[in-house]
Amino acid sequence: EVQLLESGGGLVQPGGSLRLSCAASGFTFANSAMTWVRQAPGKGLEWVSSISGSGIITYYADSVKGRFTISRDSSKNTLYLQMDSLRADDTAVYYCAKRSEYDPGWVDSWGQGTLVTVSS
Amino acid sequence: DIVMTQSPDSLAVSLGERATINCKSSQSVFYSSNNKNNLAWYQQKPGQPPKVLIYWASTRESGVPERFSGSGSGADFTLTISSLQAEDVAVYYCQQYYSFPWTFGQGTKVEIK
Repeated sequence: EVQLLESGGGLVQPGGSLRLSCAASGFTFANSAMTWVRQAPGKGLEWVSSISGSGIITYYADSVKGRFTISRDSSKNTLYLQMDSLRADDTAVYYCAKRSEYDPGWVDSWGQGTLVTVSS
Repeated sequence: DIVMTQSPDSLAVSLGERATINCKSSQSVFYSSNNKNNLAWYQQKPGQPPKVLIYWASTRESGVPERFSGSGSGADFTLTISSLQAEDVAVYYCQQYYSFPWTFGQGTKVEIK
């Protein structure tokens, strides 16, 4: 069974940094493209960033480009999202998600999410 | 960027009745190399992460009840719940994975009338 467990969320001041982690199990992590999707309180889903299985190819939403960095450590089966220069509108639940084996492919598994609150 | 627009924003349907949600993309999401429409539907219940229902516009995910079906091609898509059950109360999102940035529709809230 696929399991994705996010951690690292919390309260941070504007301009601060956080690093989210996602521990993956139940599938071959090194072969799977991964994604972060966020959801602001009471709002819809917003794609944030994706990374290929090799870690070589990354994509970012314009809203986070230059501030967030996605990475992965296949030796630890862990996905990361380094978030710098945080702003109030980055406040959201951040979901770690696994892309299906197909390319292009949809999200076939989601974590429970971790809440990031940016506020002074 | 491909803009995804869902309609309606919300709908209330009686138990056992049909619910229909529409999704339009600002450009075609048909991928000629795999002959597929790169469109997925997700269901999100309160306090839970989303769950995929349909991918490739019309392929039901394993374990998803048959009352859920997807149709459409190119830039116009529909999610149909043939006989609404109480457990189907949720927000439904369409999403294109044809190209980055991935984009979602704004969501459609389905309630019981």
